Amino acid sequence: GEDVEQSLFLSVREGDSSVINCTYTDSSSTYLYWYKQEPGAGLQLLTYIFSNMDMKQDQRLTVLLNKKDKHLSLRIADTQTGDSAIYFCAESGGSGNTGKLIFGQGTTLQVKP
Amino acid sequence: DAGVTQSPTHLIKTRGQHVTLRCSPISGHKSVSWYQQVLGQGPQFIFQYYEKEERGRGNFPDRFSARQFPNYSSELNVNALLLGDSALYLCASSRTGAETQYFGPGTRLLVL
Repeated sequence: GEDVEQSLFLSVREGDSSVINCTYTDSSSTYLYWYKQEPGAGLQLLTYIFSNMDMKQDQRLTVLLNKKDKHLSLRIADTQTGDSAIYFCAESGGSGNTGKLIFGQGTTLQVKP
Repeated sequence: DAGVTQSPTHLIKTRGQHVTLRCSPISGHKSVSWYQQVLGQGPQFIFQYYEKEERGRGNFPDRFSARQFPNYSSELNVNALLLGDSALYLCASSRTGAETQYFGPGTRLLVL
């Protein structure tokens, strides 16, 4: 089956690192994504990783992929109050080239000043 | 370039009515996908269209339908609205459908 699981809530202090974790079930996923959603807004693409990669770094963001354990994580360095939002992990599920994204339920990141 | 645009931004309907939501993809993108996001949950896939053909459909009733026009814009139609259809409806565009999807701001639908 297709399922993506995330922890629901994470609270950190400004300046600390945040690590948001995700597990998925579809081993055939080609890409795995992280999206950010601020209150009342749509989804903003943060970063993505191809399934044959272990790590991807993009400025303050580091994505780690453990394909054996089907575990994906997003590390945000030097977390700022503006990083407070809901973060969604998504896998590209579905057969063929449907491009269907399967999302987790989202992790709410609270950054305390 | 403009991002994905959706209209209207907000909509209030009553049970039994129908609604049409609209989406314009990023210039050069030929695929549009629709997602429903109920409050407190992640988005759920409804449809994907590529080159005006339906490429994928999620687990939604036949009350939900969509189409894509020659200019690659898309409409999502929902008939016989139920209270449970209240949600944020998100449109995403991509070049071919199998690549990275970029989301619009969504249409917030409230069914009373």
